[in-house]
Amino acid sequence: GAGVSQSPRYKVAKRGQDVALRCDPISGHVSLFWYQQALGQGPEFLTYFQNEAQLDKSGLPSDRFFAERPEGSVSTLKIQRTQQEDSAVYLCASSPRVGATDTQYFGPGTRLTVL
Amino acid sequence: EDQVTQSPEALRLQEGESSSLNCSYTVSGLRGLFWYRQDPGKGPEFLFTLYSAGEEKEKERLKATLTKKESFLHITAPKPEDSATYLCAVQTTGGSYIPTFGRGTSLIVHP
Repeated sequence: GAGVSQSPRYKVAKRGQDVALRCDPISGHVSLFWYQQALGQGPEFLTYFQNEAQLDKSGLPSDRFFAERPEGSVSTLKIQRTQQEDSAVYLCASSPRVGATDTQYFGPGTRLTVL
Repeated sequence: EDQVTQSPEALRLQEGESSSLNCSYTVSGLRGLFWYRQDPGKGPEFLFTLYSAGEEKEKERLKATLTKKESFLHITAPKPEDSATYLCAVQTTGGSYIPTFGRGTSLIVHP
């Protein structure tokens, strides 16, 4: 079975551009998490979905960040008016259980570079 | 504020040279402590979950232990393929399921 996939794997954006990052979780997984991982750091939580409901978005760094999961499967993280400090790897993880983190399956990440 | 500190930041070992990685934490109440392995260009891969002091879990050359203040990841007779970054994360009680990750330990095992 396929794991979590993310696209694109690499994205270069000019400062001020909008970007959209896609996550395809494992089929049937209820929970979906987005994380931001800066170079040399551990992942930092951005937002959490339970099916299509965004239950926690407390980690989103600004209102330029927006995430959705309209049908409870594929999720998109959108960053508007990108800034250099947005450069990082964006990780998506899914889990078959509600709110669980021990059974998270991570995707390979999207490396975003903002010039 | 919950804090997770991993040490050392980087570790170089010769093949077969056993060692330990440390994860110390300060949280209001521990629900679970997780160890992940992350290879370059990949997402973290789950290794272990520990829930209470005194608990131990093993997988091949890896053994994770937990006390009330820290966790150790023991690597016995490592091989070059064990080279990776090892991440520790904690999940606290009180309803939040959001994990707090440490910065990781970068392990290189030389043949």
